[in-house]
Amino acid sequence: EAQVTQNPRYLITVTGKKLTVTCSQNMNHEYMSWYRQDPGLGLRQIYYSMNVEVTDKGDVPEGYKVSRKEKRNFPLILESPSPNQTSLYFCASSLQGIDGYTFGSGTRLTVV
Amino acid sequence: ILNVEQSPQSLHVQEGDSTNFTCSFPSSNFYALHWYRWETAKSPEALFVMTLNGDEKKKGQISATLNTKEGYSYLYIKGSQPEDSATYLCASISNDYKLSFGAGTTVTVRA
Repeated sequence: EAQVTQNPRYLITVTGKKLTVTCSQNMNHEYMSWYRQDPGLGLRQIYYSMNVEVTDKGDVPEGYKVSRKEKRNFPLILESPSPNQTSLYFCASSLQGIDGYTFGSGTRLTVV
Repeated sequence: ILNVEQSPQSLHVQEGDSTNFTCSFPSSNFYALHWYRWETAKSPEALFVMTLNGDEKKKGQISATLNTKEGYSYLYIKGSQPEDSATYLCASISNDYKLSFGAGTTVTVRA
């Protein structure tokens, strides 16, 4: 089944403790992207990647890192999480960037 | 500040009635527009990908139009059913492939 898999689905962590949210797609898509969703603000892009080893900042990249060492994986790294990073995160992928994106199931992160 | 705006933020419609709502976006550097349907506790799912001025797309009783010159798109639901209840997101893609989402229109269909 074609899908984008995110893990974990839920995570509660403490301020400053490094964490990684994994994202993997099995559709050989070139483009992958991370978003956060906050009430009233819609989905905001954190980082995106157009191919292996090619990443670029989205609208809200501060406090996040990403890597794209393989085509299928695009992990989101929070080196020192803070409470303002409490949010619902989505990973998504697209074959060529202008066609429809396939979204993962989301990760609800709480930083206390 | 979102540069993709959707209105209204929410609407209620009686089962069987038709409805429509708007997405406005910057017309400069426009490359494509997406519509997504987002049901509660699920992930957004792509409905339409539109690129050309005057494009019209249809999927079942849901359709969309695109005006790239004035920077707006309409989504129409004809004969709304309870299963059409969802948040509908639009996203504008610029020439550098950056995707900007609107905040969505939440549709509730009352039986």
